[in-house]
Amino acid sequence: DTEVTQTPKHLVMGMTNKKSLKCEQHMGHRAMYWYKQKAKKPPELMFVYSYEKLSINESVPSRFSPECPNSSLLNLHLHALQPEDSALYLCASSQAGGAWNQPQHFGDGTRLSIL
Amino acid sequence: AQTVTQSQPEMSVQEAETVTLSCTYDTSENNYYLFWYKQPPSRQMILVIRQEAYKQQNATENRFSVNFQKAAKSFSLKISDSQLGDTAMYFCAFMKQKYGSQGNLIFGKGTKLSVKP
Repeated sequence: DTEVTQTPKHLVMGMTNKKSLKCEQHMGHRAMYWYKQKAKKPPELMFVYSYEKLSINESVPSRFSPECPNSSLLNLHLHALQPEDSALYLCASSQAGGAWNQPQHFGDGTRLSIL
Repeated sequence: AQTVTQSQPEMSVQEAETVTLSCTYDTSENNYYLFWYKQPPSRQMILVIRQEAYKQQNATENRFSVNFQKAAKSFSLKISDSQLGDTAMYFCAFMKQKYGSQGNLIFGKGTKLSVKP
């Protein structure tokens, strides 16, 4: 069983829709991450939150909007996506602070398809 | 910039045998961390093993062990007594140590391992 829970597992949406991906962890981690993974490719970092504040945005288009409402939750709001945004979106969490070497724990991901 | 290279896109091994997956990396950092993650068809990225660059002793985790050669910038993964459940994509990953900064994982392209009965 994964300790990082992502919902939904699958999402199909049109290019004009607005949807949100959700991620939740109860390990007391204060760093949370969003990755995008295309088929047969490694994950690519999108965003990092540290103590509920956005600390890294890897030049992600504004049609992706992250939100961290509290230390356990991480959302990714989607709007006006393009077909090339179809991918597996992975959430991860880790301890924060002085121990940035702590490994990241990943969720099962949300498989997103844009029609 | 750091890069991670996995030169074996696909590998196969017979059940109960041993297999080694290779990984090399390029960095000018002296302090960093290396990881192997596996991603089975179920999609979840699972941490297999990690190594701190300042430690000379190779990390081991049950059937999994690494051969860390810091001078050569090599970090291979050995899986002993391979099991069918080891079938997965294996990613090598690098993270530099920087206190007060985020742990940005840099992944290799992955090696698809198939364990055959």
